[in-house]
Amino acid sequence: AQSVAQPEDQVNVAEGNPLTVKCTYSVSGNPYLFWYVQYPNRGLQFLLKYITGDNLVKGSYGFEAEFNKSQTSFHLKKPSALVSDSALYFCAVRDAGANNLFFGTGTRLTVIP
Amino acid sequence: DGGITQSPKYLFRKEGQNVTLSCEQNLNHDAMYWYRQDPGQGLRLIYYSQIVNDFQKGDIAEGYSVSREKKESFPLTVTSAQKNPTAFYLCASSPRGTSGGARDTQYFGPGTRLTVL
Repeated sequence: AQSVAQPEDQVNVAEGNPLTVKCTYSVSGNPYLFWYVQYPNRGLQFLLKYITGDNLVKGSYGFEAEFNKSQTSFHLKKPSALVSDSALYFCAVRDAGANNLFFGTGTRLTVIP
Repeated sequence: DGGITQSPKYLFRKEGQNVTLSCEQNLNHDAMYWYRQDPGQGLRLIYYSQIVNDFQKGDIAEGYSVSREKKESFPLTVTSAQKNPTAFYLCASSPRGTSGGARDTQYFGPGTRLTVL
């Protein structure tokens, strides 16, 4: 069975400060991990994914995420937050043998000017 | 939102009516998906199709139906059997349905917001 936990419904950070949005997962096999961002009344935009290889993955808009197998985590990070980063962020996982993605409940990020 | 279009953007349905949501992609992707989004619940999979003329139920298929007669189109019908259809509906596609498709990124359309009056 697959599951994803985003333990924080809301994250607030000051503009220019580093940001972290947390994600932990559970799968029976090798995980494929994804981060998406959603702006109000819009579809999801892909940010980055981990399939295999280097544990640090770099993606769009200066975001990166680190795969930690021992902690079963895939936290999203950015060194310096922008007000325009304010949005809803979703972590998703797919077991290598599964037919579909399983999404977390989302974390709302607010960057304060 | 790439090459995936959804229409209409807003849809209002009366009790007892069936409505159909359109999803079209020009990305030449084999796989297509329908998700439902409710506040605080993330996205839940309704149906998915890995290839033309084939589709599978997701986690919450009751009250919904789909067809996949063309590669580029995957319409979703919300039937009167769906007791709580008010939600934001998202369509997605990915390059491969099988044979390594688990690694592929899913790309999403802009969504349709359905409201039952």
